[in-house]
Amino acid sequence: SQTIHQWPATLVQPVGSPLSLECTVEGTSNPNLYWYRQAAGRGLQLLFYSVGIGQISSEVPQNLSASRPQDRQFILSSKKLLLSDSGFYLCAWSGAGEETQYFGPGTRLLVL
Amino acid sequence: AQSVTQPDIHITVSEGASLELRCNYSYGATPYLFWYVQSPGQGLQLLLKYFSGDTLVQGIKGFEAEFKRSQSSFNLRKPSVHWSDAAEYFCAVDWSSWGKLQFGAGTQVVVTP
Repeated sequence: SQTIHQWPATLVQPVGSPLSLECTVEGTSNPNLYWYRQAAGRGLQLLFYSVGIGQISSEVPQNLSASRPQDRQFILSSKKLLLSDSGFYLCAWSGAGEETQYFGPGTRLLVL
Repeated sequence: AQSVTQPDIHITVSEGASLELRCNYSYGATPYLFWYVQSPGQGLQLLLKYFSGDTLVQGIKGFEAEFKRSQSSFNLRKPSVHWSDAAEYFCAVDWSSWGKLQFGAGTQVVVTP
């Protein structure tokens, strides 16, 4: 069966520091991968999605970037964190050509 | 612009009572529709989905949802709520079948004894 992992689970970082969040999927090949952000009291906002290695689409302009160095690895990064980057970051996957997305456990990021 | 609306931010329901969560979407064509549940500090779990066919769909944990094209709605229901159903519920829409979901703002469900 397929599983999705995210780490770290929780992260506290100072403003201006870099960020790297990792997401990996097991049990499937060539998945579509997604990064979402959930700000406090708000719904989920799609940040990036990827249909293959090195293929990244950005949904909203922001202080973040994403990379997909391997088929089942998706990384969310920032060079300099802002206070507004605080939130709950969720990674998701779907099968190639499929619509249903399955979510990881999330990473809670607090920027101070 | 396309939108997904969950009119109720917060619902309180007694254990054993019925629950209905509303979801409305804007757009001409019928999108793919989903309901997810999120327990505190956790990721999202898929409850059910609608792509086509029978407009009443059954999901996990005793939930069902009904798609009504005339009302652009996809409301979630459960006949008898359990304390473990306390969570936040999100309606999501895939407009293009490309797997890009747009989420509603969510409905927080509180279950009282």
